[in-house]
Amino acid sequence: EVQLVESGGGLVQSGGSLRLSCAASGFIFSRHWMHWIRQAPGKGLEWVSRTTSDGSSTSYADSVKGRFTISRDNVKNTLYLQMNSLRAEDTAVYFCARGRRMGAPSPFDSWGQGTLVVVSS
Amino acid sequence: DIQMTQSPSTLSASVGDRVTITCRASQSISVWLAWYQQNPGKAPNLLIYDASSLESGVPSRFSGSGSGTEFTLTISSLQPADFATYYCQQYSTSRWTFGQGTKVEIK
Repeated sequence: EVQLVESGGGLVQSGGSLRLSCAASGFIFSRHWMHWIRQAPGKGLEWVSRTTSDGSSTSYADSVKGRFTISRDNVKNTLYLQMNSLRAEDTAVYFCARGRRMGAPSPFDSWGQGTLVVVSS
Repeated sequence: DIQMTQSPSTLSASVGDRVTITCRASQSISVWLAWYQQNPGKAPNLLIYDASSLESGVPSRFSGSGSGTEFTLTISSLQPADFATYYCQQYSTSRWTFGQGTKVEIK
């Protein structure tokens, strides 16, 4: 069974940093692109970032580019999101998700339960 | 970025109704469109991918159609478990975008 478990969320002051983790199990982690998606309270879904299966290529939404860094450890089967210079508008539940197809843009067929990040101003 | 626009934003329906949600892309995305269902406090669940392919385990009352810039999600006979929020998502580029969501409410 595919499992994705996020951790690392919490309350942080504006301008602070936080690192989220997503522990993966039940599939060959190193074969899949992985993503972070967020959802502000009462709002819709916003794609945040993607890493390819080997971590060699990443992409970011304009809203987080230059502040957030996605990375992965294919030995530990873990995905990360380093979030710096946090702003109030970054307050959201952050989900990690697996790309359905290996090696190409694709939808997200497995999601974690999410971890809440609250940025206080 | 490609903009995705869903309509309606809210839909009131009864159990047994046929329901259709529309999603429009700001430019052609071929068939690279997915639909998700999200219940309150839960992660989204993939229903349809490649515009019309049903994800494994998803009931057959869900169907998708369309290509280019216009897409639809149809629920043939609404069930109690289907009252939720639905999102479309494009993945034709390496910058994924979602529609704003359609909430399906009990009439």
